Amino acid sequence: DQQVKQNSPSLSVQEGRISILNCDYTNSMFDYFLWYKKYPAEGPTFLISISSIKDKNEDGRFTVFLNKSAKHLSLHIVPSQPGDSAVYFCAASHFGNEKLTFGTGTRLTIIP
Amino acid sequence: ETGVTQTPRHLVMGMTNKKSLKCEQHLGHNAMYWYKQSAKKPLELMFVYNFKEQTENNSVPSRFSPECPNSSHLFLHLHTLQPEDSALYLCASSQVVQSNTEAFFGQGTRLTVV
Repeated sequence: DQQVKQNSPSLSVQEGRISILNCDYTNSMFDYFLWYKKYPAEGPTFLISISSIKDKNEDGRFTVFLNKSAKHLSLHIVPSQPGDSAVYFCAASHFGNEKLTFGTGTRLTIIP
Repeated sequence: ETGVTQTPRHLVMGMTNKKSLKCEQHLGHNAMYWYKQSAKKPLELMFVYNFKEQTENNSVPSRFSPECPNSSHLFLHLHTLQPEDSALYLCASSQVVQSNTEAFFGQGTRLTVV
């Protein structure tokens, strides 16, 4: 049973436009959510996170939105840049448990 | 030097070989992890070590054997692997405190079993 789902395996966005990556989860115990970015031949790097006490967290061009009632979160990148082309993983955990549960990833391609 | 270092970066081994993957973290973290990434699958957590004690083993076959001699080093010993074990193996570390925190990953070891 996949507890964290990224239903779009790939996404293409024009440079300068907004990229929106989506993630759904099923475990209501999750209270901390993270986005990681992964380039080929490298490990995932942490991008941004959000706690369940918030519904939005912003860091520069990256904003994560959390909708707890829908068990849905999204990552917005604006404006999108060619260097943003990578695979993006959504991950979740719950308080007191250091284990991260990951989605399958979405490959984002920014078109110049 | 990067925060989490994995060696080797690439490994090709036969099914009868024995090899080890090494991970070292320079971040002063107290938890370390092994993850497996196969094509089109989520990152799968294999093992968790918290303060050098193994706290989780996600039903991993015994042909994978982890070792954590101290809080900075983590090994994954491999023996009699199968071709389906070919994957990217990622090590990560984090500081386990009262609040949640992110994990930092190494660059991974691309393992091919022939």
